[in-house]
Amino acid sequence: DSGVTQTPKHLITATGQRVTLRCSPRSGDLSVYWYQQSLDQGLQFLIQYYNGEERAKGNILERFSAQQFPDLHSELNLSSLELGDSALYFCASSAERGYEQYFGPGTRLTVT
Amino acid sequence: SQQGEEDPQALSIQEGENATMNCSYKTSINNLQWYRQNSGRGLVHLILIRSNEREKHSGRLRVTLDTSKKSSSLLITASRAADTASYFCATDGNSSYKLIFGSGTRLLVRP
Repeated sequence: DSGVTQTPKHLITATGQRVTLRCSPRSGDLSVYWYQQSLDQGLQFLIQYYNGEERAKGNILERFSAQQFPDLHSELNLSSLELGDSALYFCASSAERGYEQYFGPGTRLTVT
Repeated sequence: SQQGEEDPQALSIQEGENATMNCSYKTSINNLQWYRQNSGRGLVHLILIRSNEREKHSGRLRVTLDTSKKSSSLLITASRAADTASYFCATDGNSSYKLIFGSGTRLLVRP
């Protein structure tokens, strides 16, 4: 158990819908990262937050957004969902930048 | 494009044998991390090696880093069936601390 929690574990929704994925980092970790894992793209970095502020952006679509709240939990919002958004979405946390990132169990999103 | 590329893509060995996986990357780094992923599940952090380190051990794991060749290797000694998983290297690049993952090595340890 990494100490990072993600909810929900599974999510099935229809195209065009909007969903919110939630992540709670390990106690004391200030950085939260979101990654997407799909069969064709592999593991892709989406976005990073550090103590509530956005710090780095990767291959995140405009339809996707995220935020980190004062209690350090983070949410990833996916809107106007397409079939291709079906993937595993991971959250990771670390104490500081450049330290080990610990991953949550992931949310498996299926868009039908 | 991915920063790290693992080699081989797949590896099948007998229990008790050693498994070696290699990772090559493109840009300079601050550190390199290795992760394990069991089928469709979360990633488990195995080891982090910094750019000024050449070798690191953790239990049955040995990681080496050659920054001149931009490559790293992960050695699992005395493998067990429970080591069956995909193994990924991840680098942070020199100017950013996001992780960039390779495509992974699928390891099968036959009992």
